[in-house]
Amino acid sequence: GEDVEQSLFLSVREGDSSVINCTYTDSSSTYLYWYKQEPGAGLQLLTYIFSNMDMKQDQRLTVLLNKKDKHLSLRIADTQTGDSAIYFCAERGGGSYIPTFGRGTSLIVHP
Amino acid sequence: DADVTQTPRNRITKTGKRIMLECSQTKGHDRMYWYRQDPGLGLRLIYYSFDVKDINKGEISDGYSVSRQAQAKFSLSLESAIPNQTALYFCATSQQRGDQDTQYFGPGTRLTVL
Repeated sequence: GEDVEQSLFLSVREGDSSVINCTYTDSSSTYLYWYKQEPGAGLQLLTYIFSNMDMKQDQRLTVLLNKKDKHLSLRIADTQTGDSAIYFCAERGGGSYIPTFGRGTSLIVHP
Repeated sequence: DADVTQTPRNRITKTGKRIMLECSQTKGHDRMYWYRQDPGLGLRLIYYSFDVKDINKGEISDGYSVSRQAQAKFSLSLESAIPNQTALYFCATSQQRGDQDTQYFGPGTRLTVL
């Protein structure tokens, strides 16, 4: 089946930028998503990007998509302790309405 | 997301017991899903339903069953719980609009099977 890969952990200092990376295998992916899961909570949709876009920016969040390399990244500028959470990458192919999720990246922000 | 609620939020049960987890939504979405989350394994799809009369197995449906009682309600049952079903369970909803179909998640149910 299709696969979505993320590194499991990322540690950054407060105030620095965080970059969370994701690779996927489905060449027909049309939508790619970033979800955030805070401790004890469900997944919250952060942002998504359509496959015909290279970049999407929303306040401190920047999503970059390299469709040729099947690589998606989420950059968080000026990372704060409240950004500590698990971040899930997900992709959905054009022929399916069921997304495939990565295993999640735990972002740890330390002072 | 308060529009998607799950009950109970936490449950401890014993091996062999029947357990039902419930999900309700006020988003008016047609599509509903059940996932389980295990540390380091991410989310795995158990069952999904695209409307009231539609039920589909996901990648890990063995040992689980579901019921779509209404558009707003989707319940997950463990007929005879076993310890390796200890996990965090999430319900999600979505609504197809053109080619877009984004999922919205409930707060989760933490299930422990002793």
